[in-house]
Amino acid sequence: DADVTQTPRNRITKTGKRIMLECSQTKGHDRMYWYRQDPGLGLRLIYYSFDVKDINKGEISDGYSVSRQAQAKFSLSLESAIPNQTALYFCATAGQKSYNEQFFGPGTRLTVL
Amino acid sequence: TQLLEQSPQFLSIQEGENLTVYCNSSSVFSSLQWYRQEPGEGPVLLVTVVTGGEVKKLKRLTFQFGDARKDSSLHITAAQPGDTGLYLCAGYFGNEKLTFGTGTRLTIIP
Repeated sequence: DADVTQTPRNRITKTGKRIMLECSQTKGHDRMYWYRQDPGLGLRLIYYSFDVKDINKGEISDGYSVSRQAQAKFSLSLESAIPNQTALYFCATAGQKSYNEQFFGPGTRLTVL
Repeated sequence: TQLLEQSPQFLSIQEGENLTVYCNSSSVFSSLQWYRQEPGEGPVLLVTVVTGGEVKKLKRLTFQFGDARKDSSLHITAAQPGDTGLYLCAGYFGNEKLTFGTGTRLTIIP
């Protein structure tokens, strides 16, 4: 079984709809991250969390919110989706050590019409 | 916001050729990582470099960290079709967040 799972894998929605993307991990890591990937722009950090009570904004948090329901679960919400939020979304986890490897989920492809 | 520039953005070469991909920043990295991403999957770590001037080898892949810790390179010897993918550099700039480069999309033609 995969260590980091994301649901759904693909989603098509309409402008103005609320969308939740979910991430679960079995690696026992405290640190979790949400990234967005667009062609030619690499991965950009949306939000990150170092433990259940810790939530931090990343580079592009506007229009997004997150919830860390448990050590193993980190959800990303788009309260009112807009077309320029069409992208590939990745969840990642990392351990406590410095310069840690980040382990990525398989991604969610979101299309906002 | 720190920026990482990767070059080239796209590279298509014949099997058996050598290639080098570059990652540059105007700021000093605490450490730098290289990831490879295949279609439909998330990035997977290839290597972490920490010390200026450090060189690491992973089979046919050689990673170098610049002396000033502002740049890095990935050299592939005798490229094979299995090397095809998106190569991403990512740097820590003294904090806990990774900043990713824009990526190099590599295609190896059999």
